[in-house]
Amino acid sequence: QKEVEQNSGPLSVPEGAIASLNCTYSDRVSQSFFWYRQYSGKSPELIMSIYSNGDKEDGRFTAQLNKASQYVSLLIRDSQPSDSATYLCAVDLGNTPLVFGKGTRLSVIA
Amino acid sequence: GAVVSQHPSWVICKSGTSVKIECRSLDFQATTMFWYRQFPKQSLMLMATSNEGSKATYEQGVEKDKFLINHASLTLSTLTVTSAHPEDSSFYICSARVTGPQHFGDGTRLSIL
Repeated sequence: QKEVEQNSGPLSVPEGAIASLNCTYSDRVSQSFFWYRQYSGKSPELIMSIYSNGDKEDGRFTAQLNKASQYVSLLIRDSQPSDSATYLCAVDLGNTPLVFGKGTRLSVIA
Repeated sequence: GAVVSQHPSWVICKSGTSVKIECRSLDFQATTMFWYRQFPKQSLMLMATSNEGSKATYEQGVEKDKFLINHASLTLSTLTVTSAHPEDSSFYICSARVTGPQHFGDGTRLSIL
């Protein structure tokens, strides 16, 4: 069964630190990868897309993809209390809905 | 960017009532939309895939007669919770994609008294 695995957390980091969120996936044919942020009581919002090996930076966020090892990660620099949310990793397996991990809950402590 | 609009945001109604939720893609045509349900502190659960002009595909364990899905146009899908009961109270979220990422509506919080 195709799966996306994330540590459920909570991951607690102090304000200003780097938060590192990891995700592994089981299907080698996956080509597209996404990170979503979901605040409590809200729907998920897309924060990063990554399609090729290496790093992709967008502001304080960096997505890292390693297809050989089948993992994708999200780094959040200078973490803020407003970054406290659940982060969902999602993988595109083709002409189907994205496969979502169960999410990692991040708590940034002021 | 792609925008998905979902209405209503909140519904509170009596047990036995049927509730319709609308999901619209505002700036793109979505041949496929997805309906999710999320209980408090739990992960997203895919309920069904809505296909324009054809029957929806339901995930295992989701009652198709309970959760009616209609996708009559390329920009509108509706989910009707028929004869809703308190156990149907949840957060319902629609989503759409063409290629690339899925875009989510703001969700509908359904409370059945």
